[in-house]
Amino acid sequence: AQSVTQLDSQVPVFEEAPVELRCNYSSSVSVYLFWYVQYPNQGLQLLLKYLSGSTLVKGINGFEAEFNKSQTSFHLRKPSVHISDTAEYFCAVRTLGGNQGGKLIFGQGTELSVKP
Amino acid sequence: DTAVSQTPKYLVTQMGNDKSIKCEQNLGHDTMYWYKQDSKKFLKIMFSYNNKELIINETVPNRFSPKSPDKAHLNLHINSLELGDSAVYFCASSQTYSQGEAFFGQGTRLTVV
Repeated sequence: AQSVTQLDSQVPVFEEAPVELRCNYSSSVSVYLFWYVQYPNQGLQLLLKYLSGSTLVKGINGFEAEFNKSQTSFHLRKPSVHISDTAEYFCAVRTLGGNQGGKLIFGQGTELSVKP
Repeated sequence: DTAVSQTPKYLVTQMGNDKSIKCEQNLGHDTMYWYKQDSKKFLKIMFSYNNKELIINETVPNRFSPKSPDKAHLNLHINSLELGDSAVYFCASSQTYSQGEAFFGQGTRLTVV
């Protein structure tokens, strides 16, 4: 069965510092990968997605992620964070085919806290 | 125009009551979902419908019954509410059941007292 692990439940960082939020997945078949952001009391908003092609994916708000098939990882990065980036971030996986084809599974979430 | 809208946004009710949450998407998507987010922010899929047909039914109590009158709507009815049902429920949709990202509604915060 597919699974997603976000390795850090909380990441505190100072404003303008770089940040990396880690995500590893497990699947026996090919996958689509996503990062979502959830601001307080709001729904989830797509930051970026990997479907195929270039393994470096750029998203909104200056975020990017790199798909690494050999390490089954999809880490999210931003070179310089702002206070407004404070939010919960979710990594998600959708498998292509297999007995769980199409199911969109989320990691446990990483709380990014940007301090002035 | 809100792509995925769900009502109500907040729902406070007593144990044992029956309640419904409604969801509508205007994106022309084939697939809709219900997710439950617990107090630790963990998101768990509950149900998925593709063109009004149930395709994913996770281990959810029978008290939860989804209904899809057409592919633009997916409602969630909950019978005999329990304290443990308190959570945020998210509706989402995607173009198909096997590809692409899901678009989420703003959530319904259900509090059972």
